[in-house]
Amino acid sequence: DAGVIQSPRHEVTEMGQEVTLRCKPISGHNSLFWYRQTMMRGLELLIYFNNNVPIDDSGMPEDRFSAKMPNASFSTLKIQPSEPRDSAVYFCASSPTAHEQYFGPGTRLTVT
Amino acid sequence: QKEVEQNSGPLSVPEGAIASLNCTYSDRGSQSFFWYRQYSGKSPELIMSIYSNGDKEDGRFTAQLNKASQYVSLLIRDSQPSDSATYLCAVRGNDMRFGAGTRLTVKP
Repeated sequence: DAGVIQSPRHEVTEMGQEVTLRCKPISGHNSLFWYRQTMMRGLELLIYFNNNVPIDDSGMPEDRFSAKMPNASFSTLKIQPSEPRDSAVYFCASSPTAHEQYFGPGTRLTVT
Repeated sequence: QKEVEQNSGPLSVPEGAIASLNCTYSDRGSQSFFWYRQYSGKSPELIMSIYSNGDKEDGRFTAQLNKASQYVSLLIRDSQPSDSATYLCAVRGNDMRFGAGTRLTVKP
């Protein structure tokens, strides 16, 4: 299996622009997680889906952030409008059981 | 109080020594415990999971869990320079919480 796939790997955008991050989970995994990692705050869970349904979005920082999972093989995390404080590495992870998680390579987002 | 606490380090050990990484958690209802290794600039990689009290061994790695003390640890025997990384403790109760990580350096 190719593992969790994320795109783009790097994104540089200007403040106010819309940013869309994409994730393809490991085939057969029914849970998907979005995380954000910064030096200051470490690894933070933003939202997780089970069987394509959002279960817990309490970590989503503001209404500017939204996530969707239209089917079992694809999810997006959107930030609109983006701000410099959103600069971070965003990881997607998938799991067959909602316990052990397998991370994608991450998307490094820089908002100028 | 942080929900999952780890010593931030850095922890430095000589090659061949045992590295001991510790983690405490606050949610007594937590059921699953994990150790992830993260190399600089890379994503976290699952290296150990443990679900019941006691020790679990996998090669050079041993995870130890004590639910009464709310404590989980990772021992790395015969440490190698390639073990140099940040080790993240993760605890699952109602949701998954990660510690801030302990940076380990193994010196040749």
